[in-house]
Amino acid sequence: QQQVKQSPQSLIVQKGGISIINCAYENTAFDYFPWYQQFPGKGPALLIAIRPDVSEKKEGRFTISFNKSAKQFSLHIMDSQPGDSATYFCAASIWWTGNQFYFGTGTSLTVIP
Amino acid sequence: NAGVTQTPKFQVLKTGQSMTLQCAQDMNHEYMSWYRQDPGMGLRLIHYSVGAGITDQGEVPNGYNVSRSTTEDFPLRLLSAAPSQTSVYFCASSSYSLVGEKLFFGSGTQLSVL
Repeated sequence: QQQVKQSPQSLIVQKGGISIINCAYENTAFDYFPWYQQFPGKGPALLIAIRPDVSEKKEGRFTISFNKSAKQFSLHIMDSQPGDSATYFCAASIWWTGNQFYFGTGTSLTVIP
Repeated sequence: NAGVTQTPKFQVLKTGQSMTLQCAQDMNHEYMSWYRQDPGMGLRLIHYSVGAGITDQGEVPNGYNVSRSTTEDFPLRLLSAAPSQTSVYFCASSSYSLVGEKLFFGSGTQLSVL
């Protein structure tokens, strides 16, 4: 059973456009929601993360929107660039359980020049 | 600063063979974990450790063993490899933080079981 559901599976966006990836979860005990970026042949790397006490977090062109009541969160990439082409994973964890992370199935983003 | 180092990068096994995937970190992190990455499945937690001498099972532990004798090392053992264990394996480490937990991943081991 997938603890975190992610969509879409793949996404193609024109350079300069907005990329949006969505995730949903069921376990209300989750208290930390990171997004990881993975380039081919590399391990995932933390991109941005949010805790449920805020509804939005922005770092440069990357924004997480968090809806606690709907148990959904999303990643928005503004002014998408070809260098953003990668696989993106959302994740969720419960801090006190020892950093067990549950990952979404991933979204392959392609930004066309 | 090496971070998280995994060896080997590639491995081909025959069904029934055993092997150990090595993972070492030089950041003095308390927490280490193993994930497997399969197409359409994302990353799934196999085993994790919150410190030397302490290990526990994740989502998909069957067929894998781990031990944590030192803070730095967290090897993953396949006792009798099966084709279903064909995957890319990632080791990760992190340190407890009140701000948030950042997993540092290794570069992965691509394993094929024939």
